[in-house]
Amino acid sequence: GAVVSQHPSRVICKSGTSVKIECRSLDFQATTMFWYRQFPKQSLMLMATSNEGSKATYEQGVEKDKFLINHASLTLSTLTVTSAHPEDSSFYICSARDTSDSYNEQFFGPGTRLTVL
Amino acid sequence: LAKTTQPISMDSYEGQEVNITCSHNNIATNDYITWYQQFPSQGPRFIIQGYKTKVTNEVASLFIPADRKSSTLSLPRVSLSDTAVYYCLVGFYSGNTPLVFGKGTRLSVIA
Repeated sequence: GAVVSQHPSRVICKSGTSVKIECRSLDFQATTMFWYRQFPKQSLMLMATSNEGSKATYEQGVEKDKFLINHASLTLSTLTVTSAHPEDSSFYICSARDTSDSYNEQFFGPGTRLTVL
Repeated sequence: LAKTTQPISMDSYEGQEVNITCSHNNIATNDYITWYQQFPSQGPRFIIQGYKTKVTNEVASLFIPADRKSSTLSLPRVSLSDTAVYYCLVGFYSGNTPLVFGKGTRLSVIA
């Protein structure tokens, strides 16, 4: 199946700093990517839909000025957590759909563990 | 999107068959039933998808009754490595429509 990668896999930062997470589709082009957040023992929560060449669509309750999403190419989307605080500590997972796949399968990256001190 | 209900957790011994049932009473005509597996600190992984009757692949089987108001994921002869959270998703997902996850079922396989 198609592969989605994320970088970094783990990041620790100080409160008030910004962190950028990259999401790449390695062997297919993705006009749309999705960003999820997952807290311990909880399910994945959709944060935003990232569209190549246009603004992202954010879910209700997700601050677009805090979670900046840039989808500059068909294989790369980035999520920047600005002025991070301890409550932003979470597991961030990106995903993309290979629209050429007959199952319309949505592939997920391995996730990025963010810890804000 | 159809609301889904599945058990919060299940325990099983190694070598047993595990069946996880998902209820989705308000499934729409064009909705598919998809199951994903998630190991700790990893992204979810597609297991199986079906529309009606039975689907089988190298990992699992999916049983869907005629009314499609429920479905059962069957894992044959589980091993410790099958310990994970299993999510049932019901909808017609394509293009820029993202998967929306419910709470999932936490399966613990015991030696």
